[in-house]
Amino acid sequence: DVKVTQSSRYLVKRTGEKVFLECVQDMDHENMFWYRQDPGLGLRLIYFSYDVKMKEKGDIPEGYSVSREKKERFSLILESASTNQTSMYLCASSPGQGSSGANVLTFGAGSRLTVL
Amino acid sequence: QQQVKQSPQSLIVQKGGISIINCAYENTAFDYFPWYQQFPGKGPALLIAIRPDVSEKKEGRFTISFNKSAKQFSLHIMDSQPGDSATYFCAASNRRDSSYKLIFGSGTRLLVRP
Repeated sequence: DVKVTQSSRYLVKRTGEKVFLECVQDMDHENMFWYRQDPGLGLRLIYFSYDVKMKEKGDIPEGYSVSREKKERFSLILESASTNQTSMYLCASSPGQGSSGANVLTFGAGSRLTVL
Repeated sequence: QQQVKQSPQSLIVQKGGISIINCAYENTAFDYFPWYQQFPGKGPALLIAIRPDVSEKKEGRFTISFNKSAKQFSLHIMDSQPGDSATYFCAASNRRDSSYKLIFGSGTRLLVRP
């Protein structure tokens, strides 16, 4: 019944390493999102994509990039990880505009990244 | 810039009590206000949502109250149960934004004591 799958639940990386966080959805959703969750700060939008190969910056894109080569897959990339990127990363998807439930996000279980 | 302010940060309620979480927004273009519930180890999931054309929406023990003039909305959990212990996020979006981006509040960790 899992609809949004994040490949890694826990990762430990070193400062300066390149980090890939992968997300796959099986609901044929148009929109995909990457949020970062930190205590007291809630969920902050990093990047989102409304179509294959399309991406838009969210509220905190600095230090991150994304890739969406296929509709079902949305990857978050940390080119050079830093300690302040230690966080929980949540992927989500939603149907396209005009679709039923277009504004309902389905989240994955999250990827907890620790950068040492 | 935090566009959705949520309080309190944490809340402890006795079983059977009423849990109340409040949110305030700034952007008058927002026209969709959902609440998401997150259990430990899980991603958030939609709990209940409201549009500004109504002042209240109820689903079981969960009720959203909406005050458009004050730009505030709140979640009330009646007869709170230990199984309601979770983190709750309010959010807002503008339906004219085709991506349906949600702006989330900072979250409230609710603990319901048996």
